Amino acid sequence: GNSVTQMEGPVTLSEEAFLTINCTYTATGYPSLFWYVQYPGEGLQLLLKATKADDKGSNKGFEATYRKETTSFHLEKGSVQVSDSAVYFCALSDQTGANNLFFGTGTRLTVIP
Amino acid sequence: NAGVTQTPKFQVLKTGQSMTLQCAQDMNHNSMYWYRQDPGMGLRLIYYSASEGTTDKGEVPNGYNVSRLNKREFSLRLESAAPSQTSVYFCASRMDRASNQPQHFGDGTRLSIL
Repeated sequence: GNSVTQMEGPVTLSEEAFLTINCTYTATGYPSLFWYVQYPGEGLQLLLKATKADDKGSNKGFEATYRKETTSFHLEKGSVQVSDSAVYFCALSDQTGANNLFFGTGTRLTVIP
Repeated sequence: NAGVTQTPKFQVLKTGQSMTLQCAQDMNHNSMYWYRQDPGMGLRLIYYSASEGTTDKGEVPNGYNVSRLNKREFSLRLESAAPSQTSVYFCASRMDRASNQPQHFGDGTRLSIL
């Protein structure tokens, strides 16, 4: 079946620190992979995506590389800001049936000045 | 440029009451989804509608019904609310079922059942 395992939080970092949030997946076929971000009181927003192996998704200084050999899609940012404080969700979209999204449990990031 | 609009934003119900959560999208998307978000569990799919006129069960459909009223609107109904249905509910839409298409989410409905 399809599943996403995400690094548990919460994660607290100082401003300008390096961020890594781990994400691994199990899927049938060749899924597309996504990172979504949820700011307080809001819905989820797409942060970045990768649709095939070795693709790198990037947006707003965040990056993640689709690693088929390790079934991973870790999120990284070189220098976090207070405004990056949010909950981050890793997700996959399978290639079978309805191509629905399967989400990880989310990682709450707090960045302190 | 509204995207996905959910109403209401907050609601408190008593056990046994019924309620319909409304969702509308203005992006001409074919597929629509209802999720619930619970602490420590991420988002779980309740029902989805791959295209106008079709609906299918997701991971946690028990206690819910849906209606795809037209291409824009997809409602979620709780016929007899239970405390276990206290959650944050999100509606989402996507252009179509292609796997690399992102879903667009509404801001959620926070539902408490006493």
